[in-house]
Amino acid sequence: QSALTQPASVSGSPGQSITISCTGSSRDVGGYNFVSWYQQHPGKAPRLMIYDVTNRPSGVSTRFSGSKSAYTASLTISGLQAEDEADYYCSSYTGSSTLVFGGGTKLTVL
Amino acid sequence: EVQLVDSGGGLVQPGGSLRLSCVGSGFSFSNSAMTWVRQAPGKGLEWVSGISGNGDSTYYADSVKGRFTISRDNFKNTLYLQMNSLRAEDTAVYYCAKDPVNILVVTAMDYWGRGTLVTVSS
Repeated sequence: QSALTQPASVSGSPGQSITISCTGSSRDVGGYNFVSWYQQHPGKAPRLMIYDVTNRPSGVSTRFSGSKSAYTASLTISGLQAEDEADYYCSSYTGSSTLVFGGGTKLTVL
Repeated sequence: EVQLVDSGGGLVQPGGSLRLSCVGSGFSFSNSAMTWVRQAPGKGLEWVSGISGNGDSTYYADSVKGRFTISRDNFKNTLYLQMNSLRAEDTAVYYCAKDPVNILVVTAMDYWGRGTLVTVSS
């Protein structure tokens, strides 16, 4: 159950677009279309932003989108806003009916 | 409104035990696979355990297998995590969460509890 690999930090200016990558293996990201993304503000519980690679839950802004290619999933945030500054985590279902998270990425809005 | 209220955390000595609870409301509890996720202070999220809607299937991270037991009481809309042989590295905020669509296994988590802090220290 090795953690998925995410960049430790990314940054962007308001209005710009950023992409956070999440790299795994054939046992997780590459093997299943069950990648999800979570936003977490300090002291708060995580919030689901994307599930099943590309699906957005009701209430999540269309500025958030997900994709996947081979063993790497990506979260793109367009039109960056100050309130997007948070930690972001990816997760993937694995072949052993378990879940694995990425190490997290701190997004800074400059 | 969907709500998950987790509780039961506290200070426990190494080797001790603790049982966490999570009461769900506003959704069909028995038709939702559920899970526990933890977050050590200043660290990232770690998946701990999952359970199917009817409780027949359970899943564990290697780090807790053999020490933690997940269970549920669908009559009480309550999820549990029995934690035994606790270690310092189990210190974390523990969150319960539900899957948005699945009954058998958790593949995503759309609603989360606020978290309950477990501190393992002498």
